[in-house]
Amino acid sequence: GQQVMQIPQYQHVQEGEDFTTYCNSSTTLSNIQWYKQRPGGHPVFLIQLVKSGEVKKQKRLTFQFGEAKKNSSLHITATQTTDVGTYFCAGPLKRGSARQLTFGSGTQLTVLP
Amino acid sequence: DAGVIQSPRHEVTEMGQEVTLRCKPISGHNSLFWYRQTMMRGLELLIYFNNNVPIDDSGMPEDRFSAKMPNASFSTLKIQPSEPRDSAVYFCASSLDRTGGGTEAFFGQGTRLTVV
Repeated sequence: GQQVMQIPQYQHVQEGEDFTTYCNSSTTLSNIQWYKQRPGGHPVFLIQLVKSGEVKKQKRLTFQFGEAKKNSSLHITATQTTDVGTYFCAGPLKRGSARQLTFGSGTQLTVLP
Repeated sequence: DAGVIQSPRHEVTEMGQEVTLRCKPISGHNSLFWYRQTMMRGLELLIYFNNNVPIDDSGMPEDRFSAKMPNASFSTLKIQPSEPRDSAVYFCASSLDRTGGGTEAFFGQGTRLTVV
């Protein structure tokens, strides 16, 4: 079936280092969304990308949507301890007769002070 | 709006007991999702409702699981009988979505279920 795959599964960085997580879909996506889940919390929406090749920035976070609309990345510049959490990508994949928001496995980011 | 409201926040039950998880979506949202999160399997979509109608329940692990949405402001996820392997965090999420997965989902705080 259609899947959304995400790498790496875990990432440990020193505070101030950069971080990138990658998302790949088995099929072309109409859009891709990114969520952040803090430890013990719930996923919170960060952003949605819709256009081929789209790049969006939120302060130190840069989101990209691939030209083929099958992959995406999230890059954090100069990580801070507040960036700790799990980052998920999600896309509308077809299951049966409908498309539903399907989440990747997530990348768990640890920032060492 | 208070966001998506789930209850209870924590549930500890004995194997074999019935468990009912509750969710109140954001007013006006037409899509509701139940997800289960575990370390081993990540975030799994269990069932998806659109306009109170179950559209896809293929993620429901087995017949012990059932979900209902009697009206636009309430949904339940029931496990009967519960088993230790059902221990997980269960999230309810809602969205205003006409095309299926095209708009952001708002998650509740989750219910942490422990079956002993």
